[in-house]
Amino acid sequence: EDQVTQSPEALRLQEGESSSLNCSYTVSGLRGLFWYRQDPGKGPEFLFTLYSAGEEKEKERLKATLTKKESFLHITAPKPEDSATYLCAVQGLGNEKLTFGTGTRLTIIP
Amino acid sequence: GAVVSQHPSRVICKSGTSVKIECRSLDFQATTMFWYRQFPKKSLMLMATSNEGSKATYEQGVEKDKFLINHASLTLSTLTVTSAHPEDSSFYICSARVRGRGETQYFGPGTRLLVL
Repeated sequence: EDQVTQSPEALRLQEGESSSLNCSYTVSGLRGLFWYRQDPGKGPEFLFTLYSAGEEKEKERLKATLTKKESFLHITAPKPEDSATYLCAVQGLGNEKLTFGTGTRLTIIP
Repeated sequence: GAVVSQHPSRVICKSGTSVKIECRSLDFQATTMFWYRQFPKKSLMLMATSNEGSKATYEQGVEKDKFLINHASLTLSTLTVTSAHPEDSSFYICSARVRGRGETQYFGPGTRLLVL
């Protein structure tokens, strides 16, 4: 059974203070690892898809990296508008569905 | 691109009535659509997977007669909560996978259902 663990559960940062969110996973063959951002009362917003170890993707202040056991979402010089819950999900080979972690609730303090 | 809409965004109904939620892919064709439920401060729970023109596949513990899913076209899926009860109150979110663009699921904005 695919499993995803995200840490920390919650993170408070000062504006401009860079940090990383962790997503550890176990899956019998990785089809894809996905990062989403979710604001309160809204659906998840797609950020990145990573397919193989060593892959990296960037978008504005966010950078996602992938190893065979975990993924990191690095946030550089965050702004208050980056405050949200960040969700990680994996899809295993031969599987249609995503397995989600419980998310990291990120708060950026001005 | 890859925009998914849901309607309504919020619905309040009386116990015993049925509620239909629509999920549309606006700028792409979706081979597969998914329906999720999310409880406050919890992660997403997959309810069912539907492919256009086929019967939906429900997750264990999800009552197929209570949560009717119809995937009528490559751009529209509907979830009908039949004979709704207060315990069905939740945040329902659909997602769609883009044909020919890998495995990424794009999510709708969600529908908040409150059953009185």
